Amino acid sequence: DAGVIQSPRHEVTEMGQEVTLRCKPISGHDYLFWYRQTMMRGLELLIYFNNNVPIDDSGMPEDRFSAKMPNASFSTLKIQPSEPRDSAVYFCASSSPWGDYNEQFFGPGTRLTVL
Amino acid sequence: GQQVMQIPQYQHVQEGEDFTTYCNSSTTLSNIQWYKQRPGGHPVFLIQLVKSGEVKKQKRLTFQFGEAKKNSSLHITATQTTDVGTYFCAGPGGYQKVTFGTGTKLQVIP
Repeated sequence: DAGVIQSPRHEVTEMGQEVTLRCKPISGHDYLFWYRQTMMRGLELLIYFNNNVPIDDSGMPEDRFSAKMPNASFSTLKIQPSEPRDSAVYFCASSSPWGDYNEQFFGPGTRLTVL
Repeated sequence: GQQVMQIPQYQHVQEGEDFTTYCNSSTTLSNIQWYKQRPGGHPVFLIQLVKSGEVKKQKRLTFQFGEAKKNSSLHITATQTTDVGTYFCAGPGGYQKVTFGTGTKLQVIP
């Protein structure tokens, strides 16, 4: 398996622009998580899905952030409009409840810079 | 809500020295996981502990779960430069969700 795939790996944009981050989870994993990591705030859970349905979006910072999972193999995190304080590394992770552990498998992340 | 704190936040050690990071929870945990994130990389699962007082070893890494299941530790014996990174503990947060600790960033000086 290729693991969790994220794109783009790097994104530089200007304040006010729309940003879309993409994630393909590991095939067969029922859970998908979006995290944001910064030096100041550490690793924060933004939202997670189970079987394509959002379960908990309490970590989404504000209405500028939205996430979708139209099918089991694809999810997007959208920021519109973007602001400089959104600059961070965004990770997608997936997991399955059927393995030995319920560990999360992280993608390589998208490093977002908003100028 | 559940909080998982880690100490220290940073640790610099000379190569060959030992290193320990501690994880403390405000509530009893059914299990605890440990992850490692290399610089510029992503968190990677290391291990899960479930039983009270459990001790597991992976080569030079020793993981321990407290008797009260509220704390855990990761000890690295004779650190190497390949051990550089940030170590996170994570407690269950409901369903498949986990709550990550604040992390301990380890620097190894050659």
